[in-house]
Amino acid sequence: KQEVTQIPAALSVPEGENLVLNCSFTDSAIYNLQWFRQDPGKGLTSLLLIQSSQREQTSGRLNASLDKSSGRSTLYIAASQPGDSATYLCAVSPPGGGNNRLAFGKGNQVVVIP
Amino acid sequence: SQTIHQWPATLVQPVGSPLSLECTVEGTSNPNLYWDRQAAGRGLQLLFYSVGIGQISSEVPQNLSASRPQDRQFILSSKKLLLSDSGFYLCAWEKEWLDSDNYGYTFGSGTRLTVV
Repeated sequence: KQEVTQIPAALSVPEGENLVLNCSFTDSAIYNLQWFRQDPGKGLTSLLLIQSSQREQTSGRLNASLDKSSGRSTLYIAASQPGDSATYLCAVSPPGGGNNRLAFGKGNQVVVIP
Repeated sequence: SQTIHQWPATLVQPVGSPLSLECTVEGTSNPNLYWDRQAAGRGLQLLFYSVGIGQISSEVPQNLSASRPQDRQFILSSKKLLLSDSGFYLCAWEKEWLDSDNYGYTFGSGTRLTVV
């Protein structure tokens, strides 16, 4: 069974620093990997999706890398801002849908200090 | 455009009362739909998924049930709520992603259920 781990569980950084969030997964047979953001009491907002054949995806200040063979993904957030404070969730999708759906990590809870 | 709606946003229900949470999607047909629960400090737990009308699969035994009466409607129900049913419930939709052949997931805004 796929297991997804996110380290650290929580971190605080001063505004302007770069954020590095790590995600590891046990089964490298994934279809894609998706990073989500969740604000307190809100749903999940998709940030980036990396297909299994890709090494990275970028959107604005966000960059996500994928090393499928080692079972790792890293989300970089450049020049962090207080508005980046949220929980970031990593999820991997195996081939097919249905009950073989996304496996989620428990998230990285980020606080950016002004 | 393609969107997903979930309501209500918050709900406080007494133990033993019934539950009905609704999720609808727009702008697509025959989507794969999911109900998840997120407990405090924990990750998401898949409860039910549906690949079509009347087709429901359950991931974990529980006090809840799901139904899909229409193609773009997914309902989470309970006949009698338990205290342990409290949590944050999310509906999700598996959709084609960014004009690629790949599929990603889009979530509704969630329902905070408190059973008292």
